[in-house]
Amino acid sequence: NAGVTQTPKFQVLKTGQSMTLQCAQDMNHNSMYWYRQDPGMGLRLIYYSASEGTTDKGEVPNGYNVSRLNKREFSLRLESAAPSQTSVYFCASREGSEQFFGPGTRLTVL
Amino acid sequence: QKEVEQDPGPLSVPEGAIVSLNCTYSNSAFQYFMWYRQYSRKGPELLMYTYSSGNKEDGRFTAQVDKSSKYISLFIRDSQPSDSATYLCAMSGAGGSYIPTFGRGTSLIVHP
Repeated sequence: NAGVTQTPKFQVLKTGQSMTLQCAQDMNHNSMYWYRQDPGMGLRLIYYSASEGTTDKGEVPNGYNVSRLNKREFSLRLESAAPSQTSVYFCASREGSEQFFGPGTRLTVL
Repeated sequence: QKEVEQDPGPLSVPEGAIVSLNCTYSNSAFQYFMWYRQYSRKGPELLMYTYSSGNKEDGRFTAQVDKSSKYISLFIRDSQPSDSATYLCAMSGAGGSYIPTFGRGTSLIVHP
């Protein structure tokens, strides 16, 4: 079992560029999440998907879109990147009260 | 006031010390209380999980929940350099969509 995988691991974008962060889990979990982590801010929820076919906004959704492609995959898209979106992005899936996190994507927007 | 407050540290202790990490919260609806450990440049991983009040022990780790004071703690006995990491508390209500609220994390450094 690979658990939760994320690609890419690192990315540098220029302001205004777009990109999609990919996330996949092989644990057959229904719920999946996207967080961003900034120094001193903890984990902040961007979007989540309670089950295949549903998505909902979290605490900080502005500037992002998501797609729950199937039960395994949950992608996060930045349509027009801004320097304020420089962060580490974590995807997670859930079983019961335990969330399983991916290794993260370090994104820098210049 | 944030729903979950956690001192970011850093907390520096000598090897073998007893470590106490704490969080306070304001939402009385929280029923599930978790502690995650996050090593540098890695994703968080669940360390301890407690439902409602009480204590839970797992090896050198003890999680304590005091709902009357809205206060949770994680104790680490005989701390080791390998315990050096950021510890995040998280909590959630029962029912509905599971959306945990995380603390900012406390950075722990255990020096030999």
